[in-house]
Amino acid sequence: RKEVEQDPGPFNVPEGATVAFNCTYSNSASQSFFWYRQDCRKEPKLLMSVYSSGNEDGRFTAQLNRASQYISLLIRDSKLSDSATYLCVVLERGDYKLSFGAGTTVTVRA
Amino acid sequence: SAVISQKPSRDICQRGTSLTIQCQVDSQVTMMFWYRQQPGQSLTLIATANQGSEATYESGFVIDKFPISRPNLTFSTLTVSNMSPEDSSIYLCSVSLDTQETQYFGPGTRLLVL
Repeated sequence: RKEVEQDPGPFNVPEGATVAFNCTYSNSASQSFFWYRQDCRKEPKLLMSVYSSGNEDGRFTAQLNRASQYISLLIRDSKLSDSATYLCVVLERGDYKLSFGAGTTVTVRA
Repeated sequence: SAVISQKPSRDICQRGTSLTIQCQVDSQVTMMFWYRQQPGQSLTLIATANQGSEATYESGFVIDKFPISRPNLTFSTLTVSNMSPEDSSIYLCSVSLDTQETQYFGPGTRLLVL
């Protein structure tokens, strides 16, 4: 079983729509969670950290459910520039190694 | 965050040869890592580059194939040795800053082995 699993998509949505997707992780000892964004042929870039209480950054909302071991990302009012692959990333307690999901592809169309 | 550069940005190599990739950071960092991202897949950690000591390799990766150097806190190299077409991939270095758990990635090196 993979440590971090994501729905690969693609999620194909019109501009202005809301899109949401989840990621599950297998290690209950995981302590830190992140969403990274990767554009085609580019390196991953940190989108946001995910906190236990949930957090927002503009149009992006991240939630963490430790009991069910999943995190989610919601994008409101989608823009064309939101088209990318979103990587779910998990860090285990006491370790610097990140575990990456395979990514969820989002395509926003005009 | 940190500004990270990698050289070369891309290369096409013949099988059996070796390529050394450089990673330079604009500030001293505690942790440096090397990842591989094969076409259509997510990132796989190759090793943690330790300053002043041997790198720590992940399962499936060995020093003879991927020797790593880290002579100081701002620079590291990864060598892909005796290359085969299966080594065609993007190789990325990343850094973790002293007080943060998040990692920042270099722009990557695209390698094609013929």
